[in-house]
Amino acid sequence: EPEVTQTPSHQVTQMGQEVILRCVPISNHLYFYWYRQILGQKVEFLVSFYNNEISEKSEIFDDQFSVERPDGSNFTLKIRSTKLEDSAMYFCASSDPGRGAPSNQPQHFGDGTRLSIL
Amino acid sequence: DAKTTQPPSMDCAEGRAANLPCNHSTISGNEYVYWYRQIHSQGPQYIIHGLKNNETNEMASLIITEDRKSSTLILPHATLRDTAVYYCILFRRGGADGLTFGKGTHLIIQP
Repeated sequence: EPEVTQTPSHQVTQMGQEVILRCVPISNHLYFYWYRQILGQKVEFLVSFYNNEISEKSEIFDDQFSVERPDGSNFTLKIRSTKLEDSAMYFCASSDPGRGAPSNQPQHFGDGTRLSIL
Repeated sequence: DAKTTQPPSMDCAEGRAANLPCNHSTISGNEYVYWYRQIHSQGPQYIIHGLKNNETNEMASLIITEDRKSSTLILPHATLRDTAVYYCILFRRGGADGLTFGKGTHLIIQP
């Protein structure tokens, strides 16, 4: 069964440094998402991406965050100047637009990247 | 946003059916009921979703009440690997929206 893959599984970065988290969504999917989960807390939506632009974003997704689909397979989340509170699991997800619009196809998640800011 | 209410935790014996309830009394007509689960240290896993009819797939069954104000996820023969946090989420038909996760139900399957 096709799956969303994320790399690296664990990223350790010094505070203030830039970090890029990478995701390969399921190949025929066209909607892409990033979520985060701080240890012991809920999974939180960050941003959704469709047709090479941001569709929706949450209050968490401020100017230090950006997303990009640099080629036909990868989807990335960049955090420009990391802070201690950015330490979390970051999950990528993708969904199939289905036939016609609007769609109700489920989002499928990767197993995440654990980001540790020192 | 419409919200869901789930018990924080439940136990179920291995091999028995696990019935996980969810209340969503303010659900809108265009909102689907989705169920995901999160096994420790993994990403959320899609289980099933429905609008108003009962649904069944290889993982579970979803029973939605006629007034759509509540639903039950049924795992017919629970195994130890079903121990996880289960999330009931309302999702507006559309495609680009983010999912709003609550605290879910921590289901513990007892041997």
